[in-house]
Amino acid sequence: DVVMTQSPLSLPVTLGQPASISCRSSQSLVYRDGNTYLNWFQQRPGQSPRRLIYKVSNRDSGVPDRFSGSGSGTDFTLKISRVEAEDVGVYYCMQGTHWPLTFGGGTKVEIK
Amino acid sequence: EVQLVESGGGLVQPGGSLRLSCAASGFTFSNYWMSWVRQAPGKGLEWVANIKEDGREKYYVDSVKGRFTISRDNANSSLYLQMNSLRAEDTAVYYCARDSGSAVTTSYWGQGTLVTVAS
Repeated sequence: DVVMTQSPLSLPVTLGQPASISCRSSQSLVYRDGNTYLNWFQQRPGQSPRRLIYKVSNRDSGVPDRFSGSGSGTDFTLKISRVEAEDVGVYYCMQGTHWPLTFGGGTKVEIK
Repeated sequence: EVQLVESGGGLVQPGGSLRLSCAASGFTFSNYWMSWVRQAPGKGLEWVANIKEDGREKYYVDSVKGRFTISRDNANSSLYLQMNSLRAEDTAVYYCARDSGSAVTTSYWGQGTLVTVAS
């Protein structure tokens, strides 16, 4: 199985400051069709997960442009340019290239 | 408006069975892969099973193979998860998702239904 490793586990951030979450996969996430199926999900307290980013860097509809995804191969990053109070929650990377689909362990973003 | 509403969760004894349902609305159900994803209390997310639009392809995580069966009824826009031989480690909130893991269309998730396996 592809192991997804996120860091840090916890990320205290000052409002208005940037935040960055790293995700590494144990093998390349490039699929035979040439696409890289790396997604980012946000789970706010008490809510269902919500996908923010698909295929590394594509924002889902309605996702603020302060969220951005980047990376390739096995190394990926989610950045929040200026953290707002509503961004508090747990963020998960997830690979959709190899079955079984797997998630990272999560990064908890909180306000300092 | 897309809606996914799960039902069927509850308390079941180890070795027992449960059938989860997901009622979909607001989109053409038969055009999308569907999935079940679970989250144990206080833990992370685990993708459990996927099913293709026509129901002919199904994928399962190893830990549920041979015990769980994903199915769908396109005529009634419903997704199911039949869970047999339940174990304590199957205790989790189960989410229905309009997402294949590699979808480029919007990903939608239900509110989840809690399954508790305990004696």
